[in-house]
Amino acid sequence: NAGVTQTPKFRVLKTGQSMTLLCAQDMNHEYMYWYRQDPGMGLRLIHYSVGEGTTAKGEVPDGYNVSRLKKQNFLLGLESAAPSQTSVYFCASSTGTGAMNEQFFGPGTRLTVL
Amino acid sequence: GQSLEQPSEVTAVEGAIVQINCTYQTSGFYGLSWYQQHDGGAPTFLSYNALDGLEETGRFSSFLSRSDSYGYLLLQELQMKDSASYFCVFFAGGGKLIFGQGTELSVKP
Repeated sequence: NAGVTQTPKFRVLKTGQSMTLLCAQDMNHEYMYWYRQDPGMGLRLIHYSVGEGTTAKGEVPDGYNVSRLKKQNFLLGLESAAPSQTSVYFCASSTGTGAMNEQFFGPGTRLTVL
Repeated sequence: GQSLEQPSEVTAVEGAIVQINCTYQTSGFYGLSWYQQHDGGAPTFLSYNALDGLEETGRFSSFLSRSDSYGYLLLQELQMKDSASYFCVFFAGGGKLIFGQGTELSVKP
């Protein structure tokens, strides 16, 4: 099992460009999440999904959109990138809601917006 | 609002015991977890407490007191590989996790 994978690993964008980050999991998990982590900070939830075809806003959703067309994939889109979106983006998945449901994280995507 | 507070840095020597504290503020409580992160890599799950008391997993233990809105992670027999960031994480309901800012643990020889 590959677990949770993220594509790409690194990306540099210019202000105003768009891009999509792909997250894939092979554990048949219902729940998937997108977080961002800024230097010296904890992770902040951007959007999450409780199942195929569903999405919900997290703590910092502005400037991002997501889609969950297939259970195993969760896409994060930046329509018009801004320097404030320079961050490390982590995707995670879990069997269900609740802190008792361990979240499994991908290796991260390091994004720089110039 | 909801918030978590934990120390930003802790230093300890190999073989010692270290405790990382976490206090939280929330209108509703569903559980407290701890995650470990090495060098900015993928965070990994360490433990979870829903009820008061101590949960033990090998060298790591986690404690929760809901009446005091307080928890801690206890690491015993410290090893160099334990140098990492440790996050207390609050479950806010509805599938959302709120992460603290993290404690960077440095283990010295």
